[in-house]
Amino acid sequence: DAGITQSPRHKVTETGTPVTLRCHQTENHRYMYWYRQDPGHGLRLIHYSYGVKDTDKGEVSDGYSVSRSKTEDFLLTLESATSSQTSVYFCAIGRNGNTIYFGEGSWLTVV
Amino acid sequence: QQQVKQSPQSLIVQKGGISIINCAYENTAFDYFPWYQQFPGKGPALLIAIRPDVSEKKEGRFTISFNKSAKQFSLHIMDSQPGDSATYFCAATYREYGNKLVFGAGTILRVKS
Repeated sequence: DAGITQSPRHKVTETGTPVTLRCHQTENHRYMYWYRQDPGHGLRLIHYSYGVKDTDKGEVSDGYSVSRSKTEDFLLTLESATSSQTSVYFCAIGRNGNTIYFGEGSWLTVV
Repeated sequence: QQQVKQSPQSLIVQKGGISIINCAYENTAFDYFPWYQQFPGKGPALLIAIRPDVSEKKEGRFTISFNKSAKQFSLHIMDSQPGDSATYFCAATYREYGNKLVFGAGTILRVKS
């Protein structure tokens, strides 16, 4: 267990509503990441953070925003959820080295 | 150039056999190549990783073979067991890229007993 907690674990929401997923770590790791997993695409990076208030976009960032006000928390927000954002979302953490650990995932369905 | 191509998409192996999953990359800046194992309903878990200064790394029944000149690396699972049935992802990254992992599309492995 890498000390990562994602919430909520499962959510069904309606198109056009805002959604926030939370990632909480107890490891004090510098780097935090949000990935989404879809069949045939593996895991794709949405946003990442390299420190408090330091964030940057990944390869599939459109429609998503993030915030990191504390080392331990990394929030992913879908401002106006669309059906194409139905996916499994994984938070990950890492130190200065390369080893990256993943959380258990958040299943999001947008209807 | 940041892509990692993984094959096959799915694989069925008899118990006790050898499972082989292959990955190829283009970006020669990549310097860290991990493999992740994922069971249904769970997050990916780091299985084994290699850096390009070695051609092979072995941990128990799992071996990574690395061919720097061909820009390919592969995962070999010896004596495959039904408990190895999972989805396997290769990935690559490098420090100057912020250690952001670029993943292959995944291979669904089923080991038949």
